[in-house]
Amino acid sequence: RKEVEQDPGPFNVPEGATVAFNCTYSNSASQSFFWYRQDCRKEPKLLMSVYSSGNEDGRFTAQLNRASQYISLLIRDSKLSDSATYLCVVNSGGGNKLTFGTGTQLKVEL
Amino acid sequence: EPEVTQTPSHQVTQMGQEVILRCVPISNHLYFYWYRQILGQKVEFLVSFYNNEISEKSEIFDDQFSVERPDGSNFTLKIRSTKLEDSAMYFCATTQAGANLNEQFFGPGTRLTVL
Repeated sequence: RKEVEQDPGPFNVPEGATVAFNCTYSNSASQSFFWYRQDCRKEPKLLMSVYSSGNEDGRFTAQLNRASQYISLLIRDSKLSDSATYLCVVNSGGGNKLTFGTGTQLKVEL
Repeated sequence: EPEVTQTPSHQVTQMGQEVILRCVPISNHLYFYWYRQILGQKVEFLVSFYNNEISEKSEIFDDQFSVERPDGSNFTLKIRSTKLEDSAMYFCATTQAGANLNEQFFGPGTRLTVL
């Protein structure tokens, strides 16, 4: 089983749509969870940390279910500029190394 | 807004040659990392570095790789004898002391092409 697993997509959605991405992780000792965004041939950029209570930042909402080892990201009112690859990232425990999923590609269209 | 910077942006080298990739961390950041991303694949952890020592390294980070902070500002990754499979984007990341150590900020990367 992969350490961090995501549906690679692509998700093609119209502008204004709501889209949800899911991610599962295999290491139950994982302590910290993140969503990063990566544009083509660019560096990953931290979008938001994910907390057990769930958290929201504008149009973005992240949820964590530790029992199911499942993380989600919801984007409301999609904009063209949201087009990117969204990376589910987990701290695998016992250090500060981050383990990345392969990413889910989002394309927002007119 | 302070940023992590990396040089060069693109390095082309012949197989077997040594390369040094450079990173300038954000000024008050004390934890440093190298990651790589082979084209079309996921980002992979290489090594973490704190207080002039390697904290953790992955299986990828073998004897051909080394890191150092020679002058208190630059953080370098050296590959002694490059192989074709070392071709990838190499990202430096840093974290502020006292902050959430897992909120890592990435530089723009160096694209390494080994011919």
